[in-house]
Order: sequence, then structure tokens, then C-alpha cells
Amino acid sequence: DTAVSQTPKYLVTQMGNDKSIKCEQNLGHDTMYWYKQDSKKFLKIMFSYNNKELIINETVPNRFSPKSPDKAHLNLHINSLELGDSAVYFCASSQDLEQVDGYTFGSGTRLTVV
Amino acid sequence: QKEVEQDPGPLSVPEGAIVSLNCTYSNSAFQYFMWYRQYSRKGPELLMYTYSSGNKEDGRFTAQVDKSSKYISLFIRDSQPSDSATYLCAIAHSGGYNKLIFGAGTRLAVHP
Repeated sequence: DTAVSQTPKYLVTQMGNDKSIKCEQNLGHDTMYWYKQDSKKFLKIMFSYNNKELIINETVPNRFSPKSPDKAHLNLHINSLELGDSAVYFCASSQDLEQVDGYTFGSGTRLTVV
Repeated sequence: QKEVEQDPGPLSVPEGAIVSLNCTYSNSAFQYFMWYRQYSRKGPELLMYTYSSGNKEDGRFTAQVDKSSKYISLFIRDSQPSDSATYLCAIAHSGGYNKLIFGAGTRLAVHP
């Protein structure tokens, strides 16, 4: 039973398209995150939500719009995709905003923009 | 200057070797220090967590934090081929809304 699941696992799309990535956690956690890992394995936070409320928005282009319909789900919609958006996107969750050692990551969505 | 620096490697060692992985960080406000292990095509998983300075040991793994030097280390004893992965250090500070700041990751290969 996967704790943090992301769909799709792989996404290949053309420049200019709009795409969404979905994330669900069944751990009962309050806080969810999106991280981006580039080709050099550098992992950087994009957004965090706590109980559906946006907490961190880390200077991400406004083409990226997260949405949290409930605290178990955090989706990421990307408009007008660019080549530089190619990366692996990881969803993660933690019990709350204080449990630094309690992150659980999903397996990632590998996005390739051609 | 990046907030956390980590040599990306790759690092190749024979089975049974002692491995030393290191990161440096720039801001003395950081108090939480973690090491994550990431296998190919998988998400990172927490390996070690240390609060403030000191050592922590878990089986073959030892994490060290030297706040005076702003230097964190992970030692792997008796390394195994199954330890082959990318190791990422991560840091955070209180009041940071649980935001983890990761190093670039060091790719480790342990060959039989």
C-alpha cells in the first residue's frame, strides 16, 4: 500500500502544452510538498501546503499552480510547458510543519518536454 | 554561495570499504541535519537525522555534525553493493516551515 503515490510516473509532452501531476498520501499527514529535481540531481522545494493552505511558494514561475482539494491530495498543474521544465517532480508529505525528520517522498514523476 | 555544498562525485569504492560523505553549509541558524538515500528512479528516503551537533550511529551508518565548522558527514562502514545510491544531505532550521534544503547529492558505487 503506497504511502505517497504520484501519477503519472512518466510524462512526455511538447512545448507549450499544459499538464497536471497528481499526488495522494494515505499517511494522514497534514503537510504536503512539491520538490523539483533537475538533471544534476539537485532537489529543490517548490511549494508546501498545510491542511490545504499554501505555506511555501518558492519563487516558482506562475505557470506552476498547485492545488490541494483536501489534505490528502496535492496536485501540480503546469501551463505553457518549456524545455527547462524537464525534471523529476517529487511529492512528499510530513506529519505537520514541525516534523523535519518525518518526510515521506513519492517515487517521482519524470517530465520530459520536447 | 549556495546554502549547502556537496561534492557530486561519483565515488567508487570496493565492497567492505569505509565511505565518507560530506557537506558544508553557510548559515549557522540551521539546526536539523539529515542524510537521505536515493536509489535510481526512486524517491529519497531518510537514512539519518541529527539535531544540533554531535554523532549518531545506526548500524553501519554514522552521522556527524560539527556546527563550529558548519560541516556534516556520513560514514558507511563495511560498505555493500546494496549501498550503491545517491546520498543527499539536507538541512533545515526551526521557523523554516519544514523546508528542507538539499545538497547536490553524491553518487556512490560499491563494487564487489
